Amino acid sequence: AQSVSQHNHHVILSEAASLELGCNYSYGGTVNLFWYVQYPGQHLQLLLKYFSGDPLVKGIKGFEAEFIKSKFSFNLRKPSVQWSDTAEYFCAVITGANNLFFGTGTRLTVIP
Amino acid sequence: NAGVTQTPKFQVLKTGQSMTLQCAQDMNHEYMSWYRQDPGMGLRLIHYSVGAGITDQGEVPNGYNVSRSTTEDFPLRLLSAAPSQTSVYFCASSYWGKSPSYEQYFGPGTRLTVT
Repeated sequence: AQSVSQHNHHVILSEAASLELGCNYSYGGTVNLFWYVQYPGQHLQLLLKYFSGDPLVKGIKGFEAEFIKSKFSFNLRKPSVQWSDTAEYFCAVITGANNLFFGTGTRLTVIP
Repeated sequence: NAGVTQTPKFQVLKTGQSMTLQCAQDMNHEYMSWYRQDPGMGLRLIHYSVGAGITDQGEVPNGYNVSRSTTEDFPLRLLSAAPSQTSVYFCASSYWGKSPSYEQYFGPGTRLTVT
């Protein structure tokens, strides 16, 4: 069965600090991975995705993620966070018929 | 191009009542889905559809019905609301095919409270 683990439930950072959010997955099929972001009061938006090829994926707003197959990980990174990055971040894996299986999410609070 | 729209935005129901959450998309997407979001549990798939007339169950389908009579619309029906169905409901859509996977676009959500 598939699973996605996000071990950081709530992360608090000061502006300009570096960010790394962990995501580990378990899925027996071809791995397609996503990071979505949900800003307060808004719907989910795609940050970045990995289907194949270069394991270092760059997304919007300066975010990037690295797919490490040997570690079953797809961690999200940003070198310098801003107050506007305050949001909830979800890692997800595709499971058949384009269905997304989500992790439980990580809430990021950036202090000005 | 409105994307994915959902109505209503907020709804309060009493236990046992029924209602339909509406979802529509104008992107001619074959795939549509419903998720519920609960604190500490992320989003969980309720039902999905890969085209008009085709629906299937997701991870948490009990208590919900769906139908897909057109490409554009994918309503979610609560047959007899229970407090455990208090949640935020998101509809999503995307193109569909076996390979590659496609980005899903999410609607703004419906916040449902069952008392």
